[in-house]
Amino acid sequence: GIQVEQSPPDLILQEGANSTLRCNFSDSVNNLQWFHQNPWGQLINLFYIPSGTKQNGRLSATTVATERYSLLYISSSQTTDSGVYFCAVRSNFGNEKLTFGTGTRLTIIP
Amino acid sequence: ETGVTQSPTHLIKTRGQQVTLRCSSQSGHNTVSWYQQALGQGPQFIFQYYREEENGRGNFPPRFSGLQFPNYSSELNVNALELDDSALYLCASRLGQGERGSYEQYFGPGTRLTVT
Repeated sequence: GIQVEQSPPDLILQEGANSTLRCNFSDSVNNLQWFHQNPWGQLINLFYIPSGTKQNGRLSATTVATERYSLLYISSSQTTDSGVYFCAVRSNFGNEKLTFGTGTRLTIIP
Repeated sequence: ETGVTQSPTHLIKTRGQQVTLRCSSQSGHNTVSWYQQALGQGPQFIFQYYREEENGRGNFPPRFSGLQFPNYSSELNVNALELDDSALYLCASRLGQGERGSYEQYFGPGTRLTVT
């Protein structure tokens, strides 16, 4: 099945810093989503981005489908950005499932 | 707030018991998926239902079963609970199939199951 790798696994930053999270996947996809999981377990949709670039406030994402990677940018980090960020993809081949990466744990220090 | 709701929030069961978890999908969404998230890991796909039929399944044994109702709500049933079944169970919905379908999934808040 499709493999999804996220890097870095952990990231500790000072409030106000910028960060880039990466997601590599091993096959062509028709869905790629970025989620933020809060401390209570809720997966919050950040971007639905199988290709192209999107921006939402301090967050933006780019997916280069032909090269099988996606990037999530967080600018001017705030403590509320802390949590685990997951990339999840749906392969063009196979069943309906989303395959998740192992996540990036982001900690923002005041 | 995604519009996907799950109940109960937390549950404690004993090994060997059976459990039923419930999910109400976002309004208008006809496709529901269930995921299991063990501590420190990403969610793993259990199965998906579309129009009351299972149309995709992950690597989970048959003691994990489900239902989808005409109003698109869904249940996850787990029989003969094992200690390793302790996890966060997440339900996701989307508007699937056809011209108006989208692959974007929306997740509920989850049910945290502890098996002792």
